[in-house]
Amino acid sequence: KQEVTQIPAALSVPEGENLVLNCSFTDSAIYNLQWFRQDPGKGLTSLLLIQSSQREQTSGRLNASLDKSSGRSTLYIAASQPGDSATYLCAVRAGTYKYIFGTGTRLKVLA
Amino acid sequence: EADIYQTPRYLVIGTGKKITLECSQTMGHDKMYWYQQDPGMELHLIHYSYGVNSTEKGDLSSESTVSRIRTEHFPLTLESARPSHTSQYLCASTGENPVRNAGELFFGEGSRLTVL
Repeated sequence: KQEVTQIPAALSVPEGENLVLNCSFTDSAIYNLQWFRQDPGKGLTSLLLIQSSQREQTSGRLNASLDKSSGRSTLYIAASQPGDSATYLCAVRAGTYKYIFGTGTRLKVLA
Repeated sequence: EADIYQTPRYLVIGTGKKITLECSQTMGHDKMYWYQQDPGMELHLIHYSYGVNSTEKGDLSSESTVSRIRTEHFPLTLESARPSHTSQYLCASTGENPVRNAGELFFGEGSRLTVL
């Protein structure tokens, strides 16, 4: 059974720091992995999608990597800003319709 | 930018009322989903649909029902709301085209339901 874990559960950093969020999954047979951002009381915003054949994706200050063999993905945020404060979730597409979500990392960037 | 819309964004109603949460997407996606999420907690899948006239129950048992009569529309209905239904309901959709974005999930802004 696929399980997705995110560490740390919460993170507080000063503005300007580079940071790494981690996502682990137990079954390497995935279609893709997606990173989301969720602000309080809102829906999830897609940040980056990595297909199973890819190793990384980049968008602005964000870079996500995927290592299927070790069951790990990392989200790298460069030069963090207070506006980056949110909960970050990863999700793996484990089947044609099935998505498994991690429990998220709550990030607070201090001004 | 995701083209998936949920209404209402907020709803406060009394016990026993019938409610329908609307979800529409303009991306032509075949798969649509309803998730339930309590504040600070994980998402739970309650319903999904492969396409028109195809609906399935998700992992979390729910008293709600759904329908998929049109590709773009996936409403969720509670026949008789109870305080235990108080939660945030998130609608999502995905498709297989373009190939480079195959399976990318897009979410609406959510509908926060409070049942008194």
